[in-house]
Amino acid sequence: ELKVEQNPLFLSMQEGKNYTIYCNYSTTSDRLYWYRQDPGKSLESLFVLLSNGAVKQEGRLMASLDTKARLSTLHITAAVHDLSATYFCAVDRGGNTPLVFGKGTRLSVIA
Amino acid sequence: NAGVTQTPKFQVLKTGQSMTLQCAQDMNHNSMYWYRQDPGMGLRLIYYSASEGTTDKGEVPNGYNVSRLNKREFSLRLESAAPSQTSVYFCASSGLGTGRETQYFGPGTRLLVL
Repeated sequence: ELKVEQNPLFLSMQEGKNYTIYCNYSTTSDRLYWYRQDPGKSLESLFVLLSNGAVKQEGRLMASLDTKARLSTLHITAAVHDLSATYFCAVDRGGNTPLVFGKGTRLSVIA
Repeated sequence: NAGVTQTPKFQVLKTGQSMTLQCAQDMNHNSMYWYRQDPGMGLRLIYYSASEGTTDKGEVPNGYNVSRLNKREFSLRLESAAPSQTSVYFCASSGLGTGRETQYFGPGTRLLVL
């Protein structure tokens, strides 16, 4: 059974600081997805990582995938308040099965 | 392009009442999903449909039924609502086959069962 663990689950960070959110998973997979959810809203796709070593960047967010370590990271550079949201990673189990989601990391960026 | 739509947006039910949550997508996607989201629990998969005509149980199917009415529509039914089913329900769809590409989510239905 594939398990997906995110840490931390809660993160309060100051504006301008850098931080990394981690997503570990328990079985082999080469596809991983990151989503963002604003309070009271739905989930929005951020990044799709489709192979070992994949790196995607958009603005102050950068995601990477290490399939050998079964680890993805979401790095935040010089945080701003607008990045406050909950971030989910989701892993593809392969075959004809749905994605498995982590519990999410609630990020709060404070002045 | 509407993407994934859900109705209703909000609903209040009394214990024992029934209701159907509707979901439709206009992206010609093969696969559709129903999730519930509770505080601290992340997203939990209720049912999914890998293609038109098929449905499968997810992590928390008890108390729910689904119908894949056609390629566009996937409904979720609560036959006898219970307070434990108070939650936010999200429908999602994906294109190439289950898990093969990113999922697109609807806006959610907020359900309160009294």
